[in-house]
Amino acid sequence: DAMVIQNPRYQVTQFGKPVTLSCSQTLNHNVMYWYQQKSSQAPKLLFHYYDKDFNNEADTPDNFQSRRPNTSFCFLDIRSPGLGDAAMYLCATSRGGQGFGYGYTFGSGTRLTVV
Amino acid sequence: DAKTTQPPSMDCAEGRAANLPCNHSTISGNEYVYWYRQIHSQGPQYIIHGLKNNETNEMASLIITEDRKSSTLILPHATLRDTAVYYCIVRVGVYTDKLIFGTGTRLQVFP
Repeated sequence: DAMVIQNPRYQVTQFGKPVTLSCSQTLNHNVMYWYQQKSSQAPKLLFHYYDKDFNNEADTPDNFQSRRPNTSFCFLDIRSPGLGDAAMYLCATSRGGQGFGYGYTFGSGTRLTVV
Repeated sequence: DAKTTQPPSMDCAEGRAANLPCNHSTISGNEYVYWYRQIHSQGPQYIIHGLKNNETNEMASLIITEDRKSSTLILPHATLRDTAVYYCIVRVGVYTDKLIFGTGTRLQVFP
């Protein structure tokens, strides 16, 4: 089945040690998103790629970066994780330009713990 | 995108209809109403969307008022597996691809 896969499901990293989360998709969607979801809060959009164009949200900290080497993969890099960055990180895809919300497909998320 | 207001939590008995309200009084004419839900520890899941007409699919029905300032998501026969946080989102459907989540309604279905 076509899907969005996030690895790993759980990630533990040390305070200040760079960490990378990965997302892959078999849907051939041209838009990929990264959301951060802290405990008991709604998902918060960090940034998205529309094809190769990177679009950062205004309030996303510089500590968060992203790479998209090809259509299928997208990475979230946290350069110096702090305790406040512990959260679930969700990857999503959509068929951009189609304009319909049902095109969003979410992965199961990576739960990041910072120790 | 227009702001939405939802009750923070609701309860529903298993087998009964769950009616989840959403206010979006500042909605524009070209903005769609979307509903997603998020079951604990999973990614959000699309449920249904609509512009002005009522919509129904295999999961739920969406009732949008004539003035489009509010809507109701109806789960006709709630099951325990419908326990989740339900998000009502309003966004322009044509060129804007960003999905911005509000606080949502936590629905608890009880036996």
